[in-house]
Amino acid sequence: GDSVTQMEGPVTLSEEAFLTINCTYTATGYPSLFWYVQYPGEGLQLLLKATKADDKGSNKGFEATYRKETTSFHLEKGSVQVSDSAVYFCALTVRGNFNKFYFGSGTKLNVKP
Amino acid sequence: DTGVSQDPRHKITKRGQNVTFRCDPISEHNRLYWYRQTLGQGPEFLTYFQNEAQLEKSRLLSDRFSAERPKGSFSTLEIQRTEQGDSAMYLCASSLALGLGMNTEAFFGQGTRLTVV
Repeated sequence: GDSVTQMEGPVTLSEEAFLTINCTYTATGYPSLFWYVQYPGEGLQLLLKATKADDKGSNKGFEATYRKETTSFHLEKGSVQVSDSAVYFCALTVRGNFNKFYFGSGTKLNVKP
Repeated sequence: DTGVSQDPRHKITKRGQNVTFRCDPISEHNRLYWYRQTLGQGPEFLTYFQNEAQLEKSRLLSDRFSAERPKGSFSTLEIQRTEQGDSAMYLCASSLALGLGMNTEAFFGQGTRLTVV
């Protein structure tokens, strides 16, 4: 079936450190890939997306590249800030599968000053 | 603000009571989803609508759960005879289904946190 696996957290970093959160997927068809962010007590906000292989999604200094050969969509940021502290979810939707969204279990990021 | 809105934000209810949540999607979106999220987990799919038609229901959705989307606009999710295991965040999302099986990203509301005591 369709699923997403992401690295377990929490991830604790100092401000200005480099961030990588790993995400791999399995899909029965051709997926679109997403990263969502959730701040405490809030719903999910779309952070970035990529809809075809080799696309790079980017937003607010975060990037992720859709790698079909490794079925991965790792999230990176060169220099994290305290305000980036949140839970990050990798997600996919498969074209033609009525487009349900499948989410990973989330990775909590704590950034310390 | 023209995002997805959910009401109420919080609900505390006694076990055995019925509760109903409302979701207002982004107005031009034809797809509406309900997800459930428990602490430390990602959202789990419950059901979704294309316009007013409920197209799929997860096996997670027991007979005590029912969802409607009259006229293809807002949606309600009702839980009858609530149990403590129903305590969770209930998230609503909407998207725009495009042609050829394509779909925009899902836009989420802020959720309704249900606590069953």
